[in-house]
Amino acid sequence: EPEVTQTPSHQVTQMGQEVILRCVPISNHLYFYWYRQILGQKVEFLVSFYNNEISEKSEIFDDQFSVERPDGSNFTLKIRSTKLEDSAMYFCASAAASGYTDTQYFGPGTRLTVL
Amino acid sequence: LAKTTQPISMDSYEGQEVNITCSHNNIATNDYITWYQQFPSQGPRFIIQGYKTKVTNEVASLFIPADRKSSTLSLPRVSLSDTAVYYCLVVNNAGNMLTFGGGTRLMVKP
Repeated sequence: EPEVTQTPSHQVTQMGQEVILRCVPISNHLYFYWYRQILGQKVEFLVSFYNNEISEKSEIFDDQFSVERPDGSNFTLKIRSTKLEDSAMYFCASAAASGYTDTQYFGPGTRLTVL
Repeated sequence: LAKTTQPISMDSYEGQEVNITCSHNNIATNDYITWYQQFPSQGPRFIIQGYKTKVTNEVASLFIPADRKSSTLSLPRVSLSDTAVYYCLVVNNAGNMLTFGGGTRLMVKP
């Protein structure tokens, strides 16, 4: 069964540093998402991406965040200057389409620790 | 999107049937009900989706009454590996973000 993959599985960084989290969505999917989950809290939507542009973003997704699909397979989330409160699990998801019946498939996540 | 309310936690024993009920009183005509499962330190995994009446797949059944103000996820004969958090979500075709609540933490005991 095809799956979403994410690298690295765990990233440790110093406050103020830039990080790039990488995702490889399922190959024929067209819609891509990032979510995050702070330890012990809810899964929160960050951003959705379609046709090389952002479709929707939450209040969390401020100017420190950016997304990119640099080639035909990767989908990246960049945090320019990390803060302590950015420590969380970051999940990438992809879907074949954006309708209510189109399942979003989640990756295993990247645990980001900001020191 | 309609707000969902579900129990914070439930306990069960291996081999039992587990029913998790979710209320979504303000569900709209275009909304569907979707359930996800999440194991610790893993991404959420889609379980089942429905609009009304009953939907069944190889993993679970979903019961939705005629008024659609609630839904019940039924897991037949649970095992220890079904210990996870189960999320009830309302989704529609107007937006594509998923809004997760707190979920129900199911603990299956031997």
